[in-house]
This record gives sequence, C-alpha cells and structure tokens, in this order.
Amino acid sequence: KQEVTQIPAALSVPEGENLVLNCSFTDSAIYNLQWFRQDPGKGLTSLLLIQSSQREQTSGRLNASLDKSSGRSTLYIAASQPGDSATYLCAVDGNNRLAFGKGNQVVVIP
Amino acid sequence: EPEVTQTPSHQVTQMGQEVILRCVPISNHLYFYWYRQILGQKVEFLVSFYNNEISEKSEIFDDQFSVERPDGSNFTLKIRSTKLEDSAMYFCASEGIYGYTFGSGTRLTVV
Repeated sequence: KQEVTQIPAALSVPEGENLVLNCSFTDSAIYNLQWFRQDPGKGLTSLLLIQSSQREQTSGRLNASLDKSSGRSTLYIAASQPGDSATYLCAVDGNNRLAFGKGNQVVVIP
Repeated sequence: EPEVTQTPSHQVTQMGQEVILRCVPISNHLYFYWYRQILGQKVEFLVSFYNNEISEKSEIFDDQFSVERPDGSNFTLKIRSTKLEDSAMYFCASEGIYGYTFGSGTRLTVV
C-alpha cells in the first residue's frame, strides 16, 4: 500500500522567502504525482502535475521536482506572498487511485 | 476552465437516513472518482468509475455505499444508512490528460 508523507507538517515564513515543501512515497511504481492547494474548508486546486517520465514541472513561481527512484518530490514556491497561505497536498497516482499526504500547512507572514 | 461541480455544498442528515451526493464531472473525462476527507485527516480514496461500472474500490466503500451515472452528465454517491462516522467532506473528481480535477466538495454532517 502506498504511503505518502509530507514534511514539514506546518511552517510559517516571512513574506518574500522561498518555500520548500517535501513529499516522500514508499512505492516508486507510480504513474504521476500531482500537487494540490487546499484552503480551509474548501476543495482541492491542482497546482502541478508531474508525469512519471518527467523530472520537474514549472508554473509561474511554482516548481516541482520528482525523483521516482528515491520516492521523493519537492515543491518550491519562490518569493512567497500572504496569498500563498494554505495547505499543500502531495498526491501520488498509482493505477487510477490517488494516495495523499497529510499536507504541508503554510502561513506566510506579511 | 472546465470545472467539476458538486451539489449540495453542505448537507446535514440524521443517522440512519439515506443521502445522495451529486457531481457533474468534466464532460470529456472518462474516469470519475469519489474521495472523502474526515476533519483533520488525509484525503482518502473511495471508488473509481469507468465505462459505467466500478473500476476499483477501497475497503471503506462497503455495502452501504453505491455510485451511479444515471445520465450522460451526473455522477452520484449514495450512502444508504448514514452513521456518525460518515461525517466528512466528500470530493468528486474526474481525470483527464492534465491530471485530476476535483470539485469543491460536499460537507456531510450526520447527527
């Protein structure tokens, strides 16, 4: 069974700092890995999809890397803003089901 | 941008009652899913649906749960006899070439 762990569970940073969020998974036989953002009490907003053949994916200030062999992905958010405050979820796609981590809860302090 | 739509956004029901949660997936997607998130816990897979039948289900998805695609657009999750522990946020998702798209969820509260 795929287990997904996200570290750190929570972090607070001053505005402008870069964020580094880590995700690890136990089974490297994955199809894709997807990062989501979740605001309190809300749904999941897709941020980046990394296919298993890719090493990284970028969208604006966001960059996600994938190392399948070591079972790790990292989400980088450059020049953080207060609007980046949310929980970031890593989800690993193994044969038509997603296994989620518990999330990285981020607070960006103005 | 295409969206997955879920209704209702909130539902309060008494223990033992039946509830139906509704979803409209993205029209050209082929795989549909239900996930749930109990407060403070991980998002958990319930069931996947493809070609009008269940593709895979988790151990959570027991006989009290059922899914249906009654027409070309709607996708429903029915809970036959709700329990207190069914209280959670239920998310519908569909999968396309750009990954999974989730709806905004239905918060189910069983009292």
